[in-house]
Amino acid sequence: DGGITQSPKYLFRKEGQNVTLSCEQNLNHDAMYWYRQDPGQGLRLIYYSQIVNDFQKGDIAEGYSVSREKKESFPLTVTSAQKNPTAFYLCASSPYSGGTDTQYFGPGTRLTVL
Amino acid sequence: KQEVTQIPAALSVPEGENLVLNCSFTDSAIYNLQWFRQDPGKGLTSLLLIQSSQREQTSGRLNASLDKSSGRSTLYIAASQPGDSATYLCAAPLSNDYKLSFGAGTTVTVRA
Repeated sequence: DGGITQSPKYLFRKEGQNVTLSCEQNLNHDAMYWYRQDPGQGLRLIYYSQIVNDFQKGDIAEGYSVSREKKESFPLTVTSAQKNPTAFYLCASSPYSGGTDTQYFGPGTRLTVL
Repeated sequence: KQEVTQIPAALSVPEGENLVLNCSFTDSAIYNLQWFRQDPGKGLTSLLLIQSSQREQTSGRLNASLDKSSGRSTLYIAASQPGDSATYLCAAPLSNDYKLSFGAGTTVTVRA
């Protein structure tokens, strides 16, 4: 089955720790995205990548970092500089290097700061 | 910057009633208008995509309309079922931007 996988489903972080969220797709999509969702709010774009070895900041990139070394993988690191990281994180991909096409979403990772 | 608003934030209807969900956006220079469904604790599933040149799009019991001049889109769900209970989000990317701007969503409960 083609799709997007995210791991882990739940993640707990202690103060001062960096944590990495995994996102893998086997849809052969060029573009990948990371969003953050807080209760009662829409999705906010953290980072996006239109091609391997290239990525751009979204609206709330501070305290986050990404890499895109392979087409199918787009991991997100939440650094200790992110002051309020507790949220639901969603990864998505789309067929073309343009974010206006339909995006396909993974199941999400819920991050909680202890 | 595109601002997307969805009102109401929550809606509860009896089974069989038709649902009407609203989405408004501030910048009419959109590339398309997308509707998604999100079940609790899950990712988003694409429902309908209306190109900027279209007025509506249909899929089964779902129909979405688009009026760019007034900055509005409406999602109609006919003969609602308990399985339609979910949060519905719209997104309106600008034609000169590659980012989807999401509304906060409308959470629908269909009572059996």
